[in-house]
Amino acid sequence: LAKTTQPISMDSYEGQEVNITCSHNNIATNDYITWYQQFPSQGPRFIIQGYKTKVTNEVASLFIPADRKSSTLSLPRVSLSDTAVYYCLVGDILLAGSYQLTFGKGTKLSVIP
Amino acid sequence: DSGVTQTPKHLITATGQRVTLRCSPRSGDLSVYWYQQSLDQGLQFLIQYYNGEERAKGNILERFSAQQFPDLHSELNLSSLELGDSALYFCASSGRTGENTQYFGPGTRLTVL
Repeated sequence: LAKTTQPISMDSYEGQEVNITCSHNNIATNDYITWYQQFPSQGPRFIIQGYKTKVTNEVASLFIPADRKSSTLSLPRVSLSDTAVYYCLVGDILLAGSYQLTFGKGTKLSVIP
Repeated sequence: DSGVTQTPKHLITATGQRVTLRCSPRSGDLSVYWYQQSLDQGLQFLIQYYNGEERAKGNILERFSAQQFPDLHSELNLSSLELGDSALYFCASSGRTGENTQYFGPGTRLTVL
């Protein structure tokens, strides 16, 4: 599984756009990039997933450059409720058989009023 | 709501005891994964079952075991409990659409006294 590197923590004011970048230099051809959000004492929640270019859903956008060695999760106009830990994971989601997720430390986002 | 349910929400027990945690996957998902999250270790993959059969093992202790039943629900059995087993235990499921994006349950908080 490709190793990922992301900032340990970030602070943002309410209403701002937050961009969290994840590095994955050893990403493989079949790997997808997935982001999860976790609130204290709750299970990780799937946010967004992508393979290349840009993916957008009702919660976030995911930007992936052509070389796919990094990705950026963009949260528009954050609110206090977006304070959480955000995990970037890389893996072949279409691989038949086992696919355990390897979680790193994640990025602890703190939204300030 | 991810569609994955876990019971019980909280469990308090004593050292040396045995407990069983239960997980019901999302409707149609064939894979169930178990993860442990403690304060100092982060989220760690324990074991995966696919359609009733063990598919992958992670950092699961020999005192721990799991199974997946014909109705696809899964149980994680923890025996000879130690203080260090106190943690949040999450179940995740995947496989409804042929890919492995995992959806997590709310977790069971185990406290060993």
